[in-house]
Amino acid sequence: QVQLQESGHGLVKPSQTLSLTCSVSGGSISSTNFYWSWIRQPAGKGLEWIGRVYKSGSTNYNSSLKSRVTMSVDTSKNQFSLRLSSVTAADTAVYYCARDRSGSGSLGFMDVWGKGTTVTVSS
Amino acid sequence: DIQMTQSPSTLSASVGDRVTITCRASQSISGWLAWYQQKPGKAPKLLIYMASVLESGVPSRFRGSGSGTEFTLTITSLQPDDFATYYCQQYNSYYTFGQGTKLEIK
Repeated sequence: QVQLQESGHGLVKPSQTLSLTCSVSGGSISSTNFYWSWIRQPAGKGLEWIGRVYKSGSTNYNSSLKSRVTMSVDTSKNQFSLRLSSVTAADTAVYYCARDRSGSGSLGFMDVWGKGTTVTVSS
Repeated sequence: DIQMTQSPSTLSASVGDRVTITCRASQSISGWLAWYQQKPGKAPKLLIYMASVLESGVPSRFRGSGSGTEFTLTITSLQPDDFATYYCQQYNSYYTFGQGTKLEIK
């Protein structure tokens, strides 16, 4: 079955760029019916969708983060990535990658999740 | 942006109880709603999508209903494994999650 695993630096300095990668195993990131999403969760708080990327490189971002977010996909490595620039302490959270079950051009829900990785923004 | 409001924020119940969690959308989302269960330190798990369709492998005691702006998640006959936090998510206009409902043991 499909599994997702987040990786990246767990500590980022304020004003720098957070970079995470999600590796997909047990399935292809090039599957037609799926987007690939990032979601985050500050400690003790709820879930916030960051954005999603399709196999073609097409992206959709949360409007509140759009100016700072870049997502990309590497089909040769079966991976997708998140970059969040100009981070502050408010960006400290557990970051999850997830498979988004939606057809091309439509919206959906997250049916497979990574275990999450904690990112702390601190000097 | 569409806002999702869950109630209650916390719910205390006992094993064997029937419980209902409500999720309200700030505007109509038709039936584009999913429910997730999250346990401490774990990723969320998909339970229901399209408001009422049970994800494969999810026990039938989980039931979703609603359309438009009001939705419910009902758990009939609570099991020990069901004590967790539950989130709704709309996918009518990109994605927004509710703030969560923590289901505690009474």
